[in-house]
Amino acid sequence: EPEVTQTPSHQVTQMGQEVILRCVPISNHLYFYWYRQILGQKVEFLVSFYNNEISEKSEIFDDQFSVERPDGSNFTLKIRSTKLEDSAMYFCASSLTGFEETQYFGPGTRLLVL
Amino acid sequence: QQQVKQSPQSLIVQKGGISIINCAYENTAFDYFPWYQQFPGKGPALLIAIRPDVSEKKEGRFTISFNKSAKQFSLHIMDSQPGDSATYFCAASRYGGATNKLIFGTGTLLAVQP
Repeated sequence: EPEVTQTPSHQVTQMGQEVILRCVPISNHLYFYWYRQILGQKVEFLVSFYNNEISEKSEIFDDQFSVERPDGSNFTLKIRSTKLEDSAMYFCASSLTGFEETQYFGPGTRLLVL
Repeated sequence: QQQVKQSPQSLIVQKGGISIINCAYENTAFDYFPWYQQFPGKGPALLIAIRPDVSEKKEGRFTISFNKSAKQFSLHIMDSQPGDSATYFCAASRYGGATNKLIFGTGTLLAVQP
């Protein structure tokens, strides 16, 4: 069964450093999402992406964040200058279309900012 | 208005019992209500979903009950099994919006005791 994959599974970084989280969505999916989950809290929407541009972003997704689909398979989330409060599990998700409700989530990248 | 409230925070059920998790929303524009199941170290996985044009949807041991007038929906797990022990998130989205961003509830940690 096709699945969303994410790398790395864990990332430890120093405050102020840049990190890039990578995702490979399901191959025929067209809509891509990033969510995050701070430890013990709910999953929060960050950004959605379609047709090589951001469709919607939350208040969390400030200028420190950016997303990119550099090729036909990868979808990346970059945090330019990490803060302690960026420590969280980051999930990538994809869906076939914007009206296909089922979003398939990857296993996540646990980011720890020291 | 964008919030989805979920209760209880945690739930302990005996094997074979019924697990019931409740959610409430305020935004009447929401028209798609999925439930996600998350095991430790994994991403959320879609369990079952409902639209407001039906009051109930059943898939195997899992049933969603939906009360549009009360703006509430609930997940019932019949004949609960130890393998059902996980965190359950309700969510909501607006079908046909810019994107189907999911607004998640705060999660319920279910433990099914053998």
